[in-house]
Amino acid sequence: AQSVTQLDSQVPVFEEAPVELRCNYSSSVSVYLFWYVQYPNQGLQLLLKYLSGSTLVESINGFEAEFNKSQTSFHLRKPSVHISDTAEYFCAVSDWGSNDYKLSFGAGTTVTVRA
Amino acid sequence: GAGVSQTPSNKVTEKGKYVELRCDPISGHTALYWYRQSLGQGPEFLIYFQGTGAADDSGLPNDRFFAVRPEGSVSTLKIQRTERGDSAVYLCASSLATDTQYFGPGTRLTVL
Repeated sequence: AQSVTQLDSQVPVFEEAPVELRCNYSSSVSVYLFWYVQYPNQGLQLLLKYLSGSTLVESINGFEAEFNKSQTSFHLRKPSVHISDTAEYFCAVSDWGSNDYKLSFGAGTTVTVRA
Repeated sequence: GAGVSQTPSNKVTEKGKYVELRCDPISGHTALYWYRQSLGQGPEFLIYFQGTGAADDSGLPNDRFFAVRPEGSVSTLKIQRTERGDSAVYLCASSLATDTQYFGPGTRLTVL
């Protein structure tokens, strides 16, 4: 099973500043990669995903993540955050050769955006 | 359309009791997953159904945990002889085959 490491447990950031959330996974076998977001008192929502093709993927609200196979990383970035981006962010990985596509999650990164 | 729903949203029980947690997946989704999220951690896989059958139950922590999906839609996670360590948020997700998993709001289980 995959092991997923989110290197920062908490990231405080000022509004309109950039943010990067780091994610590394354990195996270089063929993988699907995901970032999920959990806003306060809400369930997990898909933010963006990498399945194949371009290694740079984007979300509708300005986040982007880049798949780096050699470094087994899938870091999440946003050039300018808003107060509404305050949430917990989870990186997740599944092996597409495993036939069940179960997700292995990191421990999460709590992003707190301050005015 | 309707998303994944889970009932109850909160369940408080006493140590040793039996509990059932229900998941209604998105209509037409053949794959259904259960995860458990303990405080301060990411979700951990418990069991995966493809249709009516449990295709992978490798994440179930012990034989007190069992899940069913008799008609290939609604699933029930059953926990016997609950322990305080079972307290967590239990998440259900559904998907179309290999596509994105959509999560329900979870059931917060508290074992006193």
